[in-house]
Amino acid sequence: KAGVTQTPRYLIKTRGQQVTLSCSPISGHRSVSWYQQTPGQGLQFLFEYFSETQRNKGNFPGRFSGRQFSNSRSEMNVSTLELGDSALYLCASSSGTGRVMNTEAFFGQGTRLTVV
Amino acid sequence: AQKITQTQPGMFVQEKEAVTLDCTYDTSDQSYGLFWYKQPSSGEMIFLIYQGSYDEQNATEGRYSLNFQKARKSANLVISASQLGDSAMYFCAMREPSWGGSQGNLIFGKGTKLSVKP
Repeated sequence: KAGVTQTPRYLIKTRGQQVTLSCSPISGHRSVSWYQQTPGQGLQFLFEYFSETQRNKGNFPGRFSGRQFSNSRSEMNVSTLELGDSALYLCASSSGTGRVMNTEAFFGQGTRLTVV
Repeated sequence: AQKITQTQPGMFVQEKEAVTLDCTYDTSDQSYGLFWYKQPSSGEMIFLIYQGSYDEQNATEGRYSLNFQKARKSANLVISASQLGDSAMYFCAMREPSWGGSQGNLIFGKGTKLSVKP
């Protein structure tokens, strides 16, 4: 069973540009969450998608957006990049839904974004 | 608000010995889940073990066990028989209760860097 796949693995962008990151969850998983990891702030939740709908959102500016497709693959977009957006972006996939306390959250290898 | 505290920024352990990584949490909810992840230098977050707040037994997965003390709000990870490949960052995380169909996001501690010495 394939794991969570994130592309690309590494990315260098210039301040002011926009970027799109992709995440393919584990087959059969319908929930995809995104996290940002920086040395200063640690791991912070960005947003969660389930069945093409955003279910939950962290405290990030509107420059950060995402979407999910019918095959559960998800993309996140960051517009007008700032130096502080340099981070490891991690995607996690889970199978469950609703108010069940889900016991799993499998992560991909992440996309390391550098803004210069 | 929910919070995870890992007080050990770095730990050293001799190969083949056991090590305990500390994690305390703060929540007012009765239902929650606790996770431990390993992050090697490659960046991938590797799921190690899960403990539900209503689970009566401490979780175990191979060389990993979770010492869950609910009254003290602690969920320490115990790694037995450490191996050189265990050198990595270790994160404790808690899943918030979810509403409106959301899974509930994970809240992470700052992590502990474990170094295994040969």
